[in-house]
Amino acid sequence: LAKTTQPISMDSYEGQEVNITCSHNNIATNDYITWYQQFPSQGPRFIIQGYKTKVTNEVASLFIPADRKSSTLSLPRVSLSDTAVYYCLVGDMGGNTGKLIFGQGTTLQVKP
Amino acid sequence: DADVTQTPRNRITKTGKRIMLECSQTKGHDRMYWYRQDPGLGLQLIYYSFDVKDINKGEISDGYSVSRQAQAKFSLSLESAIPNQTALYFCATSDLRRLGPTDTQYFGPGTRLTVL
Repeated sequence: LAKTTQPISMDSYEGQEVNITCSHNNIATNDYITWYQQFPSQGPRFIIQGYKTKVTNEVASLFIPADRKSSTLSLPRVSLSDTAVYYCLVGDMGGNTGKLIFGQGTTLQVKP
Repeated sequence: DADVTQTPRNRITKTGKRIMLECSQTKGHDRMYWYRQDPGLGLQLIYYSFDVKDINKGEISDGYSVSRQAQAKFSLSLESAIPNQTALYFCATSDLRRLGPTDTQYFGPGTRLTVL
């Protein structure tokens, strides 16, 4: 599975847009890019998934450039409740392994 | 996800004791997983199972064993617990029967295990 690199931590203020970028230089053709959110003492929760270009849902947007070597999770107008750890995962999610490899994630702290 | 439950939620035990953590799901998913999380770190995969007759080792299976008693139940055992197995343990499920190749995992609330 492709290794991912993302910032260890980020700070933001309520109402701002937050963009978290993940690098995955060794992404394979069959790999999808998935983001999970984890609150303290809870299990990770799926946020968004994409393969290329842009994906948007009610929670976030995911931007993936043509070379797919990086991706950016965009959280519009964050609130205090968006304070969490965000994980970027890359892999053949539905393929032979089904394994998810979690890195350290990005700890987002939203301030009032 | 309330459809994935774990018992116990908290457990304190002593070195050398046998411990079993249980996971049940009502989502009807075939795939189940066990992860551990250490403070400040991401999750590490211990074991995973694609159906009742399929068990696979993950990244850190040493010192652990699993049992898939039924489609809905997946148990993790520590045969002889040691202090460095103190961690937060998560069970997860996924369903590959959906259309398309993607495979979202749904996590339980976690079990906090302390080995003294």
